Amino acid sequence: NAGVTQTPKFQVLKTGQSMTLQCAQDMNHEYMSWYRQDPGMGLRLIHYSVGAGITDQGEVPNGYNVSRSTTEDFPLRLLSAAPSQTSVYFCASSYWDRGQETQYFGPGTRLLVL
Amino acid sequence: EDQVTQSPEALRLQEGESSSLNCSYTVSGLRGLFWYRQDPGKGPEFLFTLYSAGEEKEKERLKATLTKKESFLHITAPKPEDSATYLCAVQAAGNTPLVFGKGTRLSVIA
Repeated sequence: NAGVTQTPKFQVLKTGQSMTLQCAQDMNHEYMSWYRQDPGMGLRLIHYSVGAGITDQGEVPNGYNVSRSTTEDFPLRLLSAAPSQTSVYFCASSYWDRGQETQYFGPGTRLLVL
Repeated sequence: EDQVTQSPEALRLQEGESSSLNCSYTVSGLRGLFWYRQDPGKGPEFLFTLYSAGEEKEKERLKATLTKKESFLHITAPKPEDSATYLCAVQAAGNTPLVFGKGTRLSVIA
Protein backbone atom coordinates (compact mmCIF):
# COMPACT_ATOMS: atom_id res chain seq x y z
CA ASN A 1 0.00 0.00 0.00
CA ALA A 2 1.19 3.50 -0.83
CA GLY A 3 -0.95 4.90 1.99
CA VAL A 4 -2.03 8.54 1.54
CA THR A 5 -0.37 10.38 -1.33
CA GLN A 6 -0.49 14.09 -2.06
CA THR A 7 0.56 16.09 -5.09
CA PRO A 8 2.22 18.46 -5.62
CA LYS A 9 4.77 18.65 -2.79
CA PHE A 10 5.40 22.36 -3.35
CA GLN A 11 3.50 25.03 -5.22
CA VAL A 12 3.83 28.78 -5.73
CA LEU A 13 0.77 30.69 -6.88
CA LYS A 14 -0.03 34.29 -7.63
CA THR A 15 -2.98 35.95 -5.96
CA GLY A 16 -6.16 35.11 -7.85
CA GLN A 17 -4.92 31.92 -9.46
CA SER A 18 -6.77 28.67 -8.93
CA MET A 19 -5.40 25.19 -8.42
CA THR A 20 -6.26 21.72 -7.17
CA LEU A 21 -4.38 19.83 -4.51
CA GLN A 22 -4.62 16.13 -5.12
CA CYS A 23 -5.07 13.46 -2.45
CA ALA A 24 -5.42 9.73 -2.94
CA GLN A 25 -5.47 6.69 -0.68
CA ASP A 26 -5.35 3.02 -1.52
CA MET A 27 -6.58 1.63 1.80
CA ASN A 28 -10.30 1.74 0.97
CA HIS A 29 -10.97 4.16 3.83
CA GLU A 30 -14.36 5.82 3.88
CA TYR A 31 -13.36 8.87 5.95
CA MET A 32 -11.06 11.49 4.42
CA SER A 33 -10.24 15.02 5.44
CA TRP A 34 -8.16 18.10 4.59
CA TYR A 35 -6.26 20.17 7.16
CA ARG A 36 -4.06 23.22 7.01
CA GLN A 37 -1.19 23.75 9.41
CA ASP A 38 0.13 27.21 10.21
CA PRO A 39 2.81 28.20 12.73
CA GLY A 40 1.32 28.63 16.20
CA MET A 41 -2.15 27.55 15.02
CA GLY A 42 -2.03 23.79 14.99
CA LEU A 43 -3.93 21.67 12.50
CA ARG A 44 -7.27 23.11 11.40
CA LEU A 45 -9.89 21.15 9.50
CA ILE A 46 -10.95 22.56 6.14
CA HIS A 47 -13.36 19.95 4.73
CA TYR A 48 -14.05 16.29 5.32
CA SER A 49 -15.92 13.40 3.75
CA VAL A 50 -17.47 10.32 5.32
CA GLY A 51 -17.80 8.51 2.00
CA ALA A 52 -18.09 8.91 -1.76
CA GLY A 53 -20.58 11.62 -2.64
CA ILE A 54 -20.67 13.08 0.89
CA THR A 55 -18.68 16.11 2.02
CA ASP A 56 -18.99 18.62 4.84
CA GLN A 57 -17.30 21.77 6.06
CA GLY A 58 -14.76 21.93 8.82
CA GLU A 59 -13.48 24.84 10.86
CA VAL A 60 -11.99 26.95 8.02
CA PRO A 61 -13.78 26.12 4.73
CA ASN A 62 -13.91 29.57 3.10
CA GLY A 63 -12.03 29.78 -0.19
CA TYR A 64 -11.87 26.00 -0.66
CA ASN A 65 -14.03 23.45 -2.45
CA VAL A 66 -13.97 19.67 -2.31
CA SER A 67 -15.68 16.75 -4.02
CA ARG A 68 -15.60 12.99 -3.44
CA SER A 69 -16.57 11.09 -6.56
CA THR A 70 -14.63 7.95 -5.59
CA THR A 71 -13.51 6.35 -2.33
CA GLU A 72 -9.87 6.78 -3.31
CA ASP A 73 -9.67 10.47 -4.25
CA PHE A 74 -10.42 13.67 -2.37
CA PRO A 75 -9.15 16.77 -4.21
CA LEU A 76 -9.07 20.22 -2.63
CA ARG A 77 -9.67 23.20 -4.90
CA LEU A 78 -8.54 26.74 -4.27
CA LEU A 79 -10.89 28.93 -6.28
CA SER A 80 -8.98 32.23 -6.16
CA ALA A 81 -5.80 32.00 -4.14
CA ALA A 82 -5.05 34.62 -1.49
CA PRO A 83 -1.85 35.20 0.53
CA SER A 84 -3.77 34.06 3.64
CA GLN A 85 -3.92 30.60 2.10
CA THR A 86 -0.15 30.24 2.31
CA SER A 87 0.18 27.16 4.47
CA VAL A 88 1.03 23.47 4.60
CA TYR A 89 -1.92 21.30 3.62
CA PHE A 90 -2.38 17.75 4.85
CA CYS A 91 -4.82 15.16 3.65
CA ALA A 92 -5.79 12.29 5.93
CA SER A 93 -7.83 9.11 5.74
CA SER A 94 -9.07 6.95 8.57
CA TYR A 95 -10.85 3.72 9.34
CA TRP A 96 -12.69 2.16 12.26
CA ASP A 97 -11.90 -1.33 13.47
CA ARG A 98 -13.50 -2.89 16.58
CA GLY A 99 -14.38 0.53 17.95
CA GLN A 100 -10.93 2.04 17.38
CA GLU A 101 -10.11 4.71 14.81
CA THR A 102 -6.75 5.00 13.13
CA GLN A 103 -5.91 8.04 11.00
CA TYR A 104 -3.19 8.25 8.37
CA PHE A 105 -1.80 11.54 7.08
CA GLY A 106 -0.19 12.29 3.75
CA PRO A 107 3.22 13.99 3.46
CA GLY A 108 1.72 17.44 2.87
CA THR A 109 1.67 20.11 0.18
CA ARG A 110 3.51 23.36 0.87
CA LEU A 111 1.73 26.27 -0.77
CA LEU A 112 3.01 29.82 -1.14
CA VAL A 113 0.65 32.48 -2.48
CA LEU A 114 2.33 35.69 -3.58
CA GLU B 1 -16.77 24.63 21.99
CA ASP B 2 -14.32 21.74 22.08
CA GLN B 3 -10.80 22.81 23.07
CA VAL B 4 -7.40 21.17 23.42
CA THR B 5 -4.44 22.75 25.23
CA GLN B 6 -1.01 21.18 25.19
CA SER B 7 1.83 21.99 27.57
CA PRO B 8 4.62 22.78 27.57
CA GLU B 9 4.99 24.33 24.12
CA ALA B 10 8.59 23.15 23.98
CA LEU B 11 10.59 20.72 26.10
CA ARG B 12 14.29 20.04 26.06
CA LEU B 13 15.53 16.83 27.69
CA GLN B 14 18.84 15.12 28.11
CA GLU B 15 19.02 11.60 26.75
CA GLY B 16 17.62 9.25 29.41
CA GLU B 17 15.79 12.01 31.28
CA SER B 18 12.15 10.86 31.56
CA SER B 19 9.31 13.37 31.44
CA SER B 20 5.64 13.86 30.56
CA LEU B 21 3.71 15.95 28.06
CA ASN B 22 0.25 17.21 28.98
CA CYS B 23 -2.93 17.50 26.94
CA SER B 24 -5.89 19.18 28.65
CA TYR B 25 -9.26 19.09 26.94
CA THR B 26 -12.84 20.23 27.17
CA VAL B 27 -15.28 18.35 24.99
CA SER B 28 -18.98 17.58 25.07
CA GLY B 29 -18.83 13.83 25.41
CA LEU B 30 -15.40 12.40 24.59
CA ARG B 31 -15.41 9.77 21.92
CA GLY B 32 -11.62 9.47 21.65
CA LEU B 33 -8.31 11.20 22.39
CA PHE B 34 -5.51 10.81 19.89
CA TRP B 35 -1.74 11.25 20.06
CA TYR B 36 0.43 11.84 17.00
CA ARG B 37 4.11 12.39 16.35
CA GLN B 38 5.19 14.84 13.66
CA ASP B 39 8.72 15.14 12.32
CA PRO B 40 9.81 18.35 10.56
CA GLY B 41 8.53 18.53 6.98
CA LYS B 42 6.33 15.44 7.35
CA GLY B 43 2.74 14.59 8.09
CA PRO B 44 1.60 13.51 11.56
CA GLU B 45 2.12 9.86 12.42
CA PHE B 46 -0.56 8.12 14.47
CA LEU B 47 0.57 6.85 17.89
CA PHE B 48 -2.41 6.07 20.15
CA THR B 49 -6.13 6.39 20.63
CA LEU B 50 -7.60 6.43 24.16
CA TYR B 51 -11.32 6.12 24.76
CA SER B 52 -12.07 6.08 28.48
CA ALA B 53 -10.66 7.47 31.71
CA GLY B 54 -8.12 5.11 33.22
CA GLU B 55 -7.07 3.67 29.89
CA GLU B 56 -3.34 3.35 29.16
CA LYS B 57 -1.43 2.42 26.01
CA GLU B 58 2.27 1.85 25.44
CA LYS B 59 4.59 1.81 22.47
CA GLU B 60 8.33 1.45 23.02
CA ARG B 61 9.37 4.35 25.30
CA LEU B 62 5.97 6.07 25.11
CA LYS B 63 3.01 5.56 27.40
CA ALA B 64 -0.27 7.47 27.07
CA THR B 65 -2.78 7.80 29.90
CA LEU B 66 -6.22 9.39 30.08
CA THR B 67 -8.31 11.04 32.80
CA LYS B 68 -11.64 12.85 32.48
CA LYS B 69 -9.89 16.19 31.90
CA GLU B 70 -6.44 15.46 30.50
CA SER B 71 -4.05 13.02 28.95
CA PHE B 72 -0.36 12.51 29.56
CA LEU B 73 2.26 11.20 27.21
CA HIS B 74 5.07 9.77 29.34
CA ILE B 75 8.45 9.37 27.71
CA THR B 76 10.77 6.98 29.54
CA ALA B 77 14.53 7.25 28.99
CA PRO B 78 14.17 9.22 25.76
CA LYS B 79 16.65 9.03 22.91
CA PRO B 80 17.55 11.73 20.36
CA GLU B 81 15.37 9.98 17.78
CA ASP B 82 12.34 10.76 19.95
CA SER B 83 12.80 14.44 19.09
CA ALA B 84 9.65 15.60 17.28
CA THR B 85 6.47 17.57 17.79
CA TYR B 86 3.79 15.60 19.61
CA LEU B 87 0.18 16.45 18.80
CA CYS B 88 -2.94 15.71 20.79
CA ALA B 89 -6.47 15.71 19.35
CA VAL B 90 -9.97 14.96 20.65
CA GLN B 91 -13.11 13.73 19.00
CA ALA B 92 -16.50 14.45 20.49
CA ALA B 93 -19.41 12.04 20.49
CA GLY B 94 -21.24 11.69 17.20
CA ASN B 95 -18.20 10.97 15.03
CA THR B 96 -17.39 14.67 14.69
CA PRO B 97 -14.06 15.80 13.24
CA LEU B 98 -10.93 15.89 15.38
CA VAL B 99 -9.89 19.06 17.20
CA PHE B 100 -6.11 19.38 17.51
CA GLY B 101 -3.91 21.08 20.05
CA LYS B 102 -0.93 23.17 18.96
CA GLY B 103 1.58 20.53 19.93
CA THR B 104 4.64 20.13 22.15
CA ARG B 105 8.02 20.38 20.47
CA LEU B 106 10.36 17.86 22.13
CA SER B 107 14.13 17.99 21.78
CA VAL B 108 16.26 15.19 23.24
CA ILE B 109 19.94 16.01 23.52
CA ALA B 110 22.60 13.29 23.51
